[in-house]
Amino acid sequence: KQEVTQIPAALSVPEGENLVLNCSFTDSAIYNLQWFRQDPGKGLTSLLLIQSSQREQTSGRLNASLDKSSGRSTLYIAASQPGDSATYLCAVTNYGQNFVFGPGTRLSVLP
Amino acid sequence: EADIYQTPRYLVIGTGKKITLECSQTMGHDKMYWYQQDPGMELHLIHYSYGVNSTEKGDLSSESTVSRIRTEHFPLTLESARPSHTSQYLCASSHNTGLTEAFFGQGTRLTVV
Repeated sequence: KQEVTQIPAALSVPEGENLVLNCSFTDSAIYNLQWFRQDPGKGLTSLLLIQSSQREQTSGRLNASLDKSSGRSTLYIAASQPGDSATYLCAVTNYGQNFVFGPGTRLSVLP
Repeated sequence: EADIYQTPRYLVIGTGKKITLECSQTMGHDKMYWYQQDPGMELHLIHYSYGVNSTEKGDLSSESTVSRIRTEHFPLTLESARPSHTSQYLCASSHNTGLTEAFFGQGTRLTVV
């Protein structure tokens, strides 16, 4: 059974710092991995999707990498801003299975 | 652009009432999902559907029911609401292949008093 973990559970940084969020999964036979952002009381916003054949994806200040063999993905946020404060979740999909979500990393960027 | 809509956004209702949470998507996705999430807690899959006339139970047991009569519409119904049903309900959709992104609605925050 696929299990997804995220480290750290919470992170507080001053504005302007570069930071890395980690996601690990136990079954490396994934179709894809998706990073989401969730603001309090809201739905999830898709940030980046990495297919199993890809190593990384970039969108603006965000860069996500995938190492399938080791069961890891990282989300890199450059030059963090207070507006980046949210919970970040990763989710993986295996063949014939539904998305499996990690518990999330709660990020606070202080002005 | 993600086009998946949930109504209502907020609902406060008395115990014993029947409620239906609406979810619609205009992306032509076959697969749709309902998740339940308590504040600050993880997402739990309660229902999903592969397409019209398909409904499946998720990982978390739920007293709610769903239907899928049209591709774009996936409503969730509680026949008799109880305070234990108070939570946020999130709807999502994706293609069946699992190779593309999932998109989420903004959620319905349900409070049963």
